[in-house]
Amino acid sequence: DIQMTQSPSSLSASVGDRVTITCRASQSISTFLNWYHQKPGKAPQLLMYAASTLQSGVPSRFSGSGSGTDFTLTISSLQPEDFATYFCHQTYTTPYTFGQGTKLDI
Amino acid sequence: EVQLVESGGGLVQPGGSLRLSCAASGFTVSSHYMTWVRQAPGKGLEWVSVIFSGGGYNTYYADSVKGRFTISRDNSENTVSLHVRSLRPEDTAIYYCARGKWVQGVHLDYWGQGIPLTVSS
Repeated sequence: DIQMTQSPSSLSASVGDRVTITCRASQSISTFLNWYHQKPGKAPQLLMYAASTLQSGVPSRFSGSGSGTDFTLTISSLQPEDFATYFCHQTYTTPYTFGQGTKLDI
Repeated sequence: EVQLVESGGGLVQPGGSLRLSCAASGFTVSSHYMTWVRQAPGKGLEWVSVIFSGGGYNTYYADSVKGRFTISRDNSENTVSLHVRSLRPEDTAIYYCARGKWVQGVHLDYWGQGIPLTVSS
């Protein structure tokens, strides 16, 4: 199975900061990589798919990059609604696997 | 409007079984990669199972549930189910149903609100 490792596991930041979260796959997954965020008590929401394609309705302050084994999600200027837990997810091969999550708080 | 509504969760004893259902509206389940994801209390997301779109009914499972869980689809009812058997305490989680679309991989663009399943004696 492909293991997905996110770093950092937690991150403290302020409104207006630029933040980058990293996701590393245990083997190459091309660009078969999605990003979600989740707020407490809510279902996850899709932010980015195919590594760098912004989901419809997601603000342009979110961007993604990477291919192969190393990926990043960047938030250019943090807004209050962005404080959540972020997950990467590979769908290159089953079983599809998630990273362990990065909790972003104030 | 796309909606996914899960049902069927609850409290089950270890070794028991249950059927989780996901009713879809606003789209056709047979045209999408319908997926179950779970989240144990205080933990991250765990991918559980997917049933591929089309007539092949290809299904795949996480190693942790293989042989115990079965995903299925009812095209006439536009529902997806997860039959969970031989339940263990570590299966306790909120179970989410999600719609998957294929664009260079499967991405989960709509999610249900989740249904809790507790395995305990």
